[in-house]
Parts: sequence; structure tokens; C-alpha cells
Amino acid sequence: DVKVTQSSRYLVKRTGEKVFLECVQDMDHENMFWYRQDPGLGLRLIYFSYDVKMKEKGDIPEGYSVSREKKERFSLILESASTNQTSMYLCASTVSGTGRSRVGQYFGPGTRLTVT
Amino acid sequence: AQTVTQSQPEMSVQEAETVTLSCTYDTSESDYYLFWYKQPPSRQMILVIRQEAYKQQNATENRFSVNFQKAAKSFSLKISDSQLGDAAMYFCAYRSAGGNSGYALNFGKGTSLLVTP
Repeated sequence: DVKVTQSSRYLVKRTGEKVFLECVQDMDHENMFWYRQDPGLGLRLIYFSYDVKMKEKGDIPEGYSVSREKKERFSLILESASTNQTSMYLCASTVSGTGRSRVGQYFGPGTRLTVT
Repeated sequence: AQTVTQSQPEMSVQEAETVTLSCTYDTSESDYYLFWYKQPPSRQMILVIRQEAYKQQNATENRFSVNFQKAAKSFSLKISDSQLGDAAMYFCAYRSAGGNSGYALNFGKGTSLLVTP
């Protein structure tokens, strides 16, 4: 089974801190994603990566950056955390190729981040 | 960007009954994929069912089936013989078939399903 893991289930940080959220997948997937989930808003795409060192902005990239130095690991970085970044963060991965990727994305358990 | 609309923020069903969750989407593309994901309380998001737009036949996975109406851009999820374990947030999602989007999903806002004994 595909496994997507995230470094923390719960995280509490102070305003202005630099925050790292890490995601690791064990199925050699080319594509990795970071979503933010808020009640009533569903999931919104922050950034995605289709290869090592490659990244693309999603719908809400402001205030975030990402890093992908190894194929299995995709990090989300909050350079200076703010209270409006309090949210659930979900990582996901999938293979490339139209046929293979029809299986959809595999999700991690999520990190609930609180910024005080 | 494609938009996905789930018009029912909350739904309720009695155990053993059938419930249908609605989803509509807006796209100008002819080839795409549609998904229903389930997120139980405090648990991981899992794929329930998927549909390829070029397939006319509606997808089915055990008690879960979809009604895919391509012309109407509608993709509803039917859960038959509902069980307590079906209680969860359900998300409808759209993905372009082409690679330009990076295989990212566009999600609806979700429908919270309550299952009563």
C-alpha cells in the first residue's frame, strides 16, 4: 500500500516563527502536493511538484514556499507564520502518466497547525 | 480554472437507507477524471470511487455508485445500505486529463454525512 506520512499531526507555533511541514511518500511518485483544508472552503492547492527541484504555484501560494530536494520528500515552509495560516495541511502524491494517475491521489494524515 | 460545487453542506441518512450526494462542475475540457473522496472524523482522506469522463458507464464500487451526466456536468454519489462507518466528510474532485495541471485536483467544499442508527 502507498504510504504518505507527515512529520506532525499537531503543531503549535507563534506568530513570526518559521515553520516546516514535511511529507514523505514511499511509492516513488513523481507528483506531490500541498493542500490547505478549512471548514466551509474544502481543500485548496498551495503548491505542487512534478519532479525533484521542480515546483508550481497552486491557487493560494502567498505566504508559503516549498522544497523538493529528494523525490520522496516535499516540504512546505511558512517563512513567517501568521494567525491566518492556522489550518489543516494535507500532503498528497500521485504517479505521472494519464493512465496510471487515474487512480487519484494518496493523502497523508494531515497536520493541524495552530499559530498563536 | 475548473470549479466544483457541492450544494449540500450536510446530509443525514438512516442506517440501511440510501443517500445521494450531489456534485456539479464547470469545465470546457472534454477529457477529465472525477473522484469522490471520504474523510472520516480525524482520519485520513481516502478515495471512494473514480470516473473517467470518456467512459459512459457509471462507476460502481460495492455499495458506492455514481450517476455521471457529462452533458449536465453532474457527478452524484449514491451510497446504498448506509452504515455507521460511512459517516464522514465527502469531497467531490475534478482533475484534467492533460498533464499541464500537474495532476492537481480541484475540490468541492464538501458534504458532511451523518448516519443515524
